[in-house]
Amino acid sequence: GAVVSQHPSWVICKSGTSVKIECRSLDFQATTMFWYRQFPKQSLMLMATSNEGSKATYEQGVEKDKFLINHASLTLSTLTVTSAHPEDSSFYICSAPQPGHNNSPLHFGNGTRLTVT
Amino acid sequence: GNSVTQMEGPVTLSEEAFLTINCTYTATGYPSLFWYVQYPGEGLQLLLKATKADDKGSNKGFEATYRKETTSFHLEKGSVQVSDSAVYFCALIKEQGAQKLVFGQGTRLTINP
Repeated sequence: GAVVSQHPSWVICKSGTSVKIECRSLDFQATTMFWYRQFPKQSLMLMATSNEGSKATYEQGVEKDKFLINHASLTLSTLTVTSAHPEDSSFYICSAPQPGHNNSPLHFGNGTRLTVT
Repeated sequence: GNSVTQMEGPVTLSEEAFLTINCTYTATGYPSLFWYVQYPGEGLQLLLKATKADDKGSNKGFEATYRKETTSFHLEKGSVQVSDSAVYFCALIKEQGAQKLVFGQGTRLTINP
């Protein structure tokens, strides 16, 4: 079945540095991917929609300049957390819809746990 | 916009017990409804779905019925196992015509042997 791969699975970085998280669709093309953030013991919150060939669309309250999204190809989207701070520590999950399945659930990556020290 | 309210946890049960996790929704129209499961340290996996009213989704012994009268999609399993310990999320499409999902707050389930 369709698989979405996310890398790295965990990362620790120092405050002020930037971290890039990759999301790949392994056996299908994804013109759209979604980035979610999950706080400990809380639900997933949609951050932004990554669009291949155009700018990402961000949900209300999400800082565009802090969370840079680039949909480099039909199989790759990246999320860069710029100038990370401890409050950015979270679990970030990407997802992608399988083509031809408009009413189908999304396929999710295994997530990236970011810890900013 | 569409929203979903899920039973708060955590829920702790003994093996072979009956499970119900409540989920109610508010939506424009009749969006597809989903249950996702998140095992420790992993991403989300689709557990089951229902695309229209009165549909019953089922998988791995879990069931949920799309009930428009009560705007509910409760998750049930007749006999839980230790391996069912996970966090369960109810979800629906956020906006008609889009594939963004809005999730409930999640219910952490622990099954004791």
